[in-house]
Amino acid sequence: GESVGLHLPTLSVQEGDNSIINCAYSNSASDYFIWYKQESGKGPQFIIDIRSNMDKRQGQRVTVLLNKTVKHLSLQIAATQPGDSAVYFCAENPYNQGGKLIFGQGTELSVKP
Amino acid sequence: DAGVTQSPTHLIKTRGQHVTLRCSPISGHKSVSWYQQVLGQGPQFIFQYYEKEERGRGNFPDRFSARQFPNYSSELNVNALLLGDSALYLCASSLETFNSPLHFGNGTRLTVT
Repeated sequence: GESVGLHLPTLSVQEGDNSIINCAYSNSASDYFIWYKQESGKGPQFIIDIRSNMDKRQGQRVTVLLNKTVKHLSLQIAATQPGDSAVYFCAENPYNQGGKLIFGQGTELSVKP
Repeated sequence: DAGVTQSPTHLIKTRGQHVTLRCSPISGHKSVSWYQQVLGQGPQFIFQYYEKEERGRGNFPDRFSARQFPNYSSELNVNALLLGDSALYLCASSLETFNSPLHFGNGTRLTVT
């Protein structure tokens, strides 16, 4: 069935290092992708999105890379800070399924001071 | 500006009861979606509404229903509650029905005993 999976369930990094969170998706019909950050007790918070006609998009301290050939998505966080500690989800939106987002299981990012 | 607001924040119900969860979208957003998030997993799509019409439905039983009001707020109803319905129920709003980032509220934590 459809799924969005993450390569690493947990990631521990040192403060100031760069973080890379990976995601594999299986639905070739997906043309829109979003990364969310979820802190304990809160709902998912939008970080950055990318459409299938792009392979890279940058935000403030974050970069999303999309490789449609291998159906891979990654989120890069520069100069990771303790406040970045959270669970990160990638989500895909298949073009033929309206606004339905398919989420992965999530990666827990832990930043050590 | 206020984000997506959900009420109540926490709820405890008994098996067999019904529950109504409420959501107010971000001002100007006409699309509202509902997701169920079980502990340790990514959110699962339940419904999407746009301009008071259902635009999508996930793989949930008919015990789950929803509606959207003229002011774009929404309700999610769950009948005949089961223990397995215990989860965080998230509401999200967006400007468009697809290819548009969803902005989530902090959810309603439902516990069924």
